[in-house]
This record gives sequence, C-alpha cells and structure tokens, in this order.
Amino acid sequence: DVKVTQSSRYLVKRTGEKVFLECVQDMDHENMFWYRQDPGLGLRLIYFSYDVKMKEKGDIPEGYSVSREKKERFSLILESASTNQTSMYLCASSLSGDPLYNSPLHFGNGTRLTVT
Amino acid sequence: AQSVTQLGSHVSVSEGALVLLRCNYSSSVPPYLFWYVQYPNQGLQLLLKYTTGATLVKGINGFEAEFKKSETSFHLTKPSPHMSDAAEYFCAVSDGSSNTGKLIFGQGTTLQVKP
Repeated sequence: DVKVTQSSRYLVKRTGEKVFLECVQDMDHENMFWYRQDPGLGLRLIYFSYDVKMKEKGDIPEGYSVSREKKERFSLILESASTNQTSMYLCASSLSGDPLYNSPLHFGNGTRLTVT
Repeated sequence: AQSVTQLGSHVSVSEGALVLLRCNYSSSVPPYLFWYVQYPNQGLQLLLKYTTGATLVKGINGFEAEFKKSETSFHLTKPSPHMSDAAEYFCAVSDGSSNTGKLIFGQGTTLQVKP
C-alpha cells in the first residue's frame, strides 16, 4: 500500500514565523501535491510537482513556496505565516503517465496548522 | 474551466435508509470523476472513479455512483448505510488534462448516519 506521511499532525506557529510542512511518500511516485482544506471550501491546490526540482503553481500559491530536492519528499514552506493560513494541509502523490486513469491521488493524514 | 458543485453541505439519514450525495460538474472536456471519503482525523481515500466505459460505477463499502452526461451529474448513493459511514465526502473532477493528476474538488458533504 502507498504510504504518504506528513511529519506533523498538529502545528502551532506565531505570525511571521517561517513554517515548513514535510511530506514523504514511499512508492516512487513522480507527482506530488499540496492541498489546503477549509470548511465550506473543500480542497484547494497550492502547488504541485511532477519531478525532482520541478514545481508548478496551483490555484492559491500566494504566501507559499515548495521544495522538492528528492523524489520522495515534497515540502511546503510558509515564508511568513499569517493567521489566514490557519488551515488543514493535505499532501498527496500519484504515478505519472495517466495518473487519473491508473493511479488516483493518495493522501496523507494532514497537518492542522494554527497560526496565532 | 472545470468545477464541481456538491449540493448540501450536511446530509443526515437514518441507518438503513438510502443515502444520496449530489455532485454536479462542469468540464470542457470528457471528465474523469471521483468520490473521496474522509473519516475523522484522516486523509482522503478513494471511494470510486469514473474514467470511461460503464456509467454506473461501483466502489468500496457498498457505494456507487452514476455518470449522467446529459445532467452533468455524478451522484453518490448507498442503499443501506451504517453509522460507520459517517464522514465527509468529496466529489472531484479532473482538471482537463488526465496526465497531470490534478483534481478539482467540491466543497464537501458531511454525512451523518443516525441509529
């Protein structure tokens, strides 16, 4: 079974701090994603990556950056955390090719970030 | 642009009564459609997907969904839910390119199952 592991389940940070959210997958997936989940808004894509050192903006990239130095690891960075970034953050991965046909997204359990 | 609308943020049913969770989509290309479930304090798990072929799709845990192109709908049903089915359910559509792996999610519907 694919395992996507997010390093922290709960995180509390102060406004202005630099925050790192880590995600690791163990199935050699090429694609990795960061989503943000908010009540009433569903999941919104922040950034995604097709390969090491490759990244593309999703729908709400402002205030975030990402890093993918190794295939299995995809980090989300909040350069200067703000209270409106308090949310649940979900990491996901999938195979390349025709991932939606052959391999759906596999999600981690999420990191609930509170910025005070 | 692709989008998904889930009608009803909360649905409450009694155990054994039919569950119907509604999903309508908008897509400029033949869509791939998905239902995911999120149990409390967990990530999302795939329930079922429609890509091509048969329009009635069966998933895990007794759920099924029917793709209706004329109605741009992909409603999720379960004939006889259990209390263990209480969770949040998300409908999703591909972003227009099946090769990207990107999905666009609906707002989510919380299912409550009463004894």
